[in-house]
Amino acid sequence: AQSVTQLDSQVPVFEEAPVELRCNYSSSVSVYLFWYVQYPNQGLQLLLKYLSGSTLVESINGFEAEFNKSQTSFHLRKPSVHISDTAEYFCAVSSMNTGFQKLVFGTGTRLLVSP
Amino acid sequence: GAVVSQHPSRVICKSGTSVKIECRSLDFQATTMFWYRQFPKQSLMLMATSNEGSKATYEQGVEKDKFLINHASLTLSTLTVTSAHPEDSSFYICSANRDLNTDTQYFGPGTRLTVL
Repeated sequence: AQSVTQLDSQVPVFEEAPVELRCNYSSSVSVYLFWYVQYPNQGLQLLLKYLSGSTLVESINGFEAEFNKSQTSFHLRKPSVHISDTAEYFCAVSSMNTGFQKLVFGTGTRLLVSP
Repeated sequence: GAVVSQHPSRVICKSGTSVKIECRSLDFQATTMFWYRQFPKQSLMLMATSNEGSKATYEQGVEKDKFLINHASLTLSTLTVTSAHPEDSSFYICSANRDLNTDTQYFGPGTRLTVL
């Protein structure tokens, strides 16, 4: 079975500072990896995903994540955060075992950006 | 786009009543939809996978008679919480695969259920 670990439940950071949200996964088979963002009282929005190919994937709002197979990680980074990036971020994995259909989520990391 | 809507966004009901939540894919066909439950400050837990025209597949520990799922068309799935109790209060979120592209799920905005 797959599992996802997000060790940091909350990450406080000042505006314009860099940030890294950590995600590690466990799986014995091939995986797809995702980062979703949830703003207060809203549903999840896909931020970026890794399916295959280049291990570095980027979102349109400046986030990037790198798939590291040897370290089983998919950390999310942004070089300079904005107040509007304050939200809950969920890392998720799907695997070949379920035809890449079922998502297993981490417990989430709350990013708090202050001025 | 790939827009998924849910209705209602919030519902408050009395204990013992049933509540129906709708999940619609607005601009694409969704052969498969998923229903999740999210407790406060916790992650999403998959409850069931809903396939158009067939019975839903429930995750271990989820009562299928308690949470009735109907996927009657390629754009609509419904979740009915039967005989709701306060412990059923939660945030219910649906998602859908777009067409035959099964690698990415698109999520609805969620429904906040409060059972008094």
